[in-house]
Amino acid sequence: QSVLTQPPSVSGAPGQRVTISCTGSSSNIGAGYDVHWYQQFPGIAPKLLIYSNTNRPSGVPDRFSGSKSGTSASLVIAGLQAEDEADYYCQSYDNSLSASRVFGGGTKLTVL
Amino acid sequence: QVQLQESGPGLVKPSETLSLTCTVSGGSITNYFWSWIRQPANKGLEWIGRVKASGSTTNYNPSLKSRVTMSADTSKNQFSLNLNSVTAADTAVYYCARDLGSSLGKGYFDHWGQGALVTVSS
Repeated sequence: QSVLTQPPSVSGAPGQRVTISCTGSSSNIGAGYDVHWYQQFPGIAPKLLIYSNTNRPSGVPDRFSGSKSGTSASLVIAGLQAEDEADYYCQSYDNSLSASRVFGGGTKLTVL
Repeated sequence: QVQLQESGPGLVKPSETLSLTCTVSGGSITNYFWSWIRQPANKGLEWIGRVKASGSTTNYNPSLKSRVTMSADTSKNQFSLNLNSVTAADTAVYYCARDLGSSLGKGYFDHWGQGALVTVSS
């Protein structure tokens, strides 16, 4: 059971805009800790997609954007492409009794 | 371009110690933190812990802390993970990654190894 909650799956048609949510609490996102996002294809290591809530590493298309508000964060993919079909994970830090870096459970994006 | 490569036994017996090494090329491990992350089949990611190459500072996931040891060897540009008293629940793909976080509360993983599948079975 992840402390960061993501929808198990989302879908959209090519060209559409999809949003993946990452819901936390006052001990992680709500405490002001940054949220980062990763993209993972089957059998491949995750790739950093968004860091520190809103920043894209070099080489990541500007179709991908991130935001954070309160106890939640969101990854938005605009102009959906078939190649975007993958798993997406959010990551932050939780300062509860078991303080640790934490990941969301992951969201499978299907391009229809 | 920094590249990471995990190596170690793919099969470990229950109650024994899982040992993996990550070799870094394309840059020095000095002055960075380096993390281990694992992923059971068809499940999510779990951060195991991290080690700083210079000074050997470590931070571990509290859920695994009693069984984990990490170290770094700057002369070989490598860092290592030892996880003792393993059970079938420790079967996973283990990734090493560069950890860009001056503190635990800040930081993310910008370069990853390809992953090493470790199966715990007799």
